[in-house]
Amino acid sequence: NAGVTQTPKFQVLKTGQSMTLQCAQDMNHNSMYWYRQDPGMGLRLIYYSASEGTTDKGEVPNGYNVSRLNKREFSLRLESAAPSQTSVYFCASSEASKQPTDTQYFGPGTRLTVL
Amino acid sequence: AQSVTQLGSHVSVSEGALVLLRCNYSSSVPPYLFWYVQYPNQGLQLLLKYTSAATLVKGINGFEAEFKKSETSFHLTKPSAHMSDAAEYFCAVRNGGNKLVFGAGTILRVKS
Repeated sequence: NAGVTQTPKFQVLKTGQSMTLQCAQDMNHNSMYWYRQDPGMGLRLIYYSASEGTTDKGEVPNGYNVSRLNKREFSLRLESAAPSQTSVYFCASSEASKQPTDTQYFGPGTRLTVL
Repeated sequence: AQSVTQLGSHVSVSEGALVLLRCNYSSSVPPYLFWYVQYPNQGLQLLLKYTSAATLVKGINGFEAEFKKSETSFHLTKPSAHMSDAAEYFCAVRNGGNKLVFGAGTILRVKS
C-alpha cells in the first residue's frame, strides 16, 4: 500500500498563476483533508471532505478550492497564487471523521513557493 | 473552543537522556488528544492517542504520554533519547467539529 500520495513534491509559481495539487489514498478511507504548514504555526486545516461528494471549509480556506473527485482523490486548487500561499501543503485521510478517535494519515507534502 | 499549547519551540537533549515535550490543552468537553511526529521532509506520523481508556498511553518508538486532567496536560516522554528521535513533534486535540487542532510544534534535537 502506498498510503497517501501527493503530487507534485515541489512547485514554484509566479504571483497570479494557478495550479492544482493532487492527492490520492489507497486505504479506502471516507474522509480527506488539506492542511498547510507554516513555521511556528503548526498545521492549519484548509478544506476537508467528510465523505465522497461533500466538502467543507476549514480554518484558512480563502484563496483555495477543492474537489473530491472520487473516494480516492481530493485535489486542492489555487486559482491565483499569492506569496502568502508559500507553504508546505499536506493531504491526509482517515476512516471516519465523525469518530473522535479517528486517526489521520498524512502524505509526504508539497513544497510550494510563490514568487 | 478546543486548543493546545506546546511549551518550547525547541528542545535539546543528550543521547540517552530523558525526553520531555510539553503539551497543555484547553477543552470544554472531555478531550481526545494526539501526538504526531514529523521527520525531516516527511509527512506526519501518529505516535499515540488518548481516548479516555487509560491515562498512560504507550506509543511507538518507546514514547508514552500521560493524561492529567487536573493539570490539563498531555506531556510526551521517552526515558532514553536516541539520535533517530530528532524530529518535530506536534500535539493535537480533536475539536467539537471532530477536526484536529494542532499545536505549533516542538523541534527535538538530540546531541551525541
